[in-house]
Amino acid sequence: NAGVTQTPKFQVLKTGQSMTLQCAQDMNHEYMSWYRQDPGMGLRLIHYSVGAGITDQGEVPNGYNVSRSTTEDFPLRLLSAAPSQTSVYFCASSYLGELFFGEGSRLTVL
Amino acid sequence: GDSVTQMEGPVTLSEEAFLTINCTYTATGYPSLFWYVQYPGEGLQLLLKATKADDKGSNKGFEATYRKETTSFHLEKGSVQVSDSAVYFCALRGSSGGSYIPTFGRGTSLIVHP
Repeated sequence: NAGVTQTPKFQVLKTGQSMTLQCAQDMNHEYMSWYRQDPGMGLRLIHYSVGAGITDQGEVPNGYNVSRSTTEDFPLRLLSAAPSQTSVYFCASSYLGELFFGEGSRLTVL
Repeated sequence: GDSVTQMEGPVTLSEEAFLTINCTYTATGYPSLFWYVQYPGEGLQLLLKATKADDKGSNKGFEATYRKETTSFHLEKGSVQVSDSAVYFCALRGSSGGSYIPTFGRGTSLIVHP
């Protein structure tokens, strides 16, 4: 029972590099989202999607891109990494308001 | 817009103590309310939920009652264990406008000592 799977779990980048955090879910949920979690800041919504082909910005979208070509996958792209993007990133899908989270991806930007 | 306010932590208790973590919300209509728990190094997972006024959600000895008159959803447990040490998040999902976007509180860290 996979649920929501995120890869990689850990990543170190240099400033200016780009990368993609992968997220896949096997529950056929329409709604998917990306959050970042920083100490003392709680969870902040980056981008979300209500179905394949539909994405929208959350609270902190700058520096991130998303696409949703299939129901299952919702990758998050960092275009040009900055130290301020050092964080733990969580992908989540939702059904009837309940969120199902991945285990997180810890990103460090040097 | 919708908002969730929960008590700041950390909350530090001895094993077998009574726990209350306060959560109040602002929302129009009749939102669904949730408590999530995040154990160290893990993602969040649903602890309990309530979808209408006066509903009581319960799981693993934790309880919370949806109080519309006080717009609250306080989390309680009669006797905490060391294994309950985690961060607890209160959240709501609005009922108006078809919004899928949940609103989270900032989280409350619970530390339980033996």
